[in-house]
Amino acid sequence: ETGVTQTPRHLVMGMTNKKSLKCEQHLGHNAMYWYKQSAKKPLELMFVYNFKEQTENNSVPSRFSPECPNSSHLFLHLHTLQPEDSALYLCASSQGRFGKANEKLFFGSGTQLSVL
Amino acid sequence: AQSVTQLDSQVPVFEEAPVELRCNYSSSVSVYLFWYVQYPNQGLQLLLKYLSGSTLVESINGFEAEFNKSQTSFHLRKPSVHISDTAEYFCAGGRTKTSYDKVIFGPGTSLSVIP
Repeated sequence: ETGVTQTPRHLVMGMTNKKSLKCEQHLGHNAMYWYKQSAKKPLELMFVYNFKEQTENNSVPSRFSPECPNSSHLFLHLHTLQPEDSALYLCASSQGRFGKANEKLFFGSGTQLSVL
Repeated sequence: AQSVTQLDSQVPVFEEAPVELRCNYSSSVSVYLFWYVQYPNQGLQLLLKYLSGSTLVESINGFEAEFNKSQTSFHLRKPSVHISDTAEYFCAGGRTKTSYDKVIFGPGTSLSVIP
């Protein structure tokens, strides 16, 4: 148990559906991340929030919309996805010191998303 | 371009045999180096990291990695593997900039320990 919880664990959705992924951490961290993990590809950083402000948007299509209402919660809203968006979506958190790339990332178990 | 390379996508090894998982990084990405492990149906967990100081770093479960600046490598080794070491291993690198930085991950190496 890493202290980062993601729900749901599995999600199947059609291309016209709207769904949301949820991430929650009670580690007292200030930075939260969304990563996309596709088979045989490096983890792709999607979004970074530091102290509830988005500090990174790694050229992610607008059909993915993040929301960070507070330091403990992070959402990823999904709409009109494509089959190629099927992947494991991982949430992570870290202490969130500005400009520090040496922080340990704590990952959730991920949401396995299948887009039909 | 910044990159972290893991040359082996799959490494099968017999139980109690030694193993080395290779990682090379581009010089632009190297200031901090990490190895993360992902067990089946779980998220990634930090295995060990190099920040500064001694070039040889160890984890609590017998893995070690050596930072080699001249060869731009950070290979992961274990002298005797167990069945429980079967997992996906990710090498990652980061570099502090003036703006909030990000960690770059390699594509991963799948370690399969054969009984």
